[in-house]
Amino acid sequence: GIQVEQSPPDLILQEGANSTLRCNFSDSVNNLQWFHQNPWGQLINLFYIPSGTKQNGRLSATTVATERYSLLYISSSQTTDSGVYFCAVGGSNYKLTFGKGTLLTVNP
Amino acid sequence: GAGVSQSPSNKVTEKGKDVELRCDPISGHTALYWYRQSLGQGLEFLIYFQGNSAPDKSGLPSDRFSAERTGGSVSTLTIQRTQQEDSAVYLCASSLPGAPKSYYGYTFGSGTRLTVV
Repeated sequence: GIQVEQSPPDLILQEGANSTLRCNFSDSVNNLQWFHQNPWGQLINLFYIPSGTKQNGRLSATTVATERYSLLYISSSQTTDSGVYFCAVGGSNYKLTFGKGTLLTVNP
Repeated sequence: GAGVSQSPSNKVTEKGKDVELRCDPISGHTALYWYRQSLGQGLEFLIYFQGNSAPDKSGLPSDRFSAERTGGSVSTLTIQRTQQEDSAVYLCASSLPGAPKSYYGYTFGSGTRLTVV
């Protein structure tokens, strides 16, 4: 099956800093999603982005499908951005394979 | 409803008992997924329902696990003769169906935290 690697595994920031999270995957994908799991465990869909670039407020994501990676950018981070960020990918079917996540801590 | 609703939010059960977990997807979302999140295994796919098609049960870890979806809406995940290794957070998600090789983002429920003692 598809392998998903996320980096870094842990990241600590001061409020206001910017960050880039990376997701590498081992095969071509038709489905790639980024999620944020808040400290209460709720998984929130951030982007559906199998290719190209999208932006939503302070968050943006870019997927370069031909090179098998995706990046999630967080600008002007806030304490509410803390939590685990997951990249999940799917190939020719609907099943998503999740990475192990990046644990982000934003300190005030 | 406005979101994916799961119940109960927490369940503590004795080893060997059966449990039922419920998921109510977003109205109009014909695709429904169950995932399991545990410390050792991360997020794992369990089962997928799409409309009236036969479900994909390939992720169910054993024959003690089963799931059904009634009327194309509410889904129930049943675990029989629970074991301690079944302890995890069980997450349900729904999405629009999408065309072949084209998908929509998942919306996850808040999950059911199952503890087998």
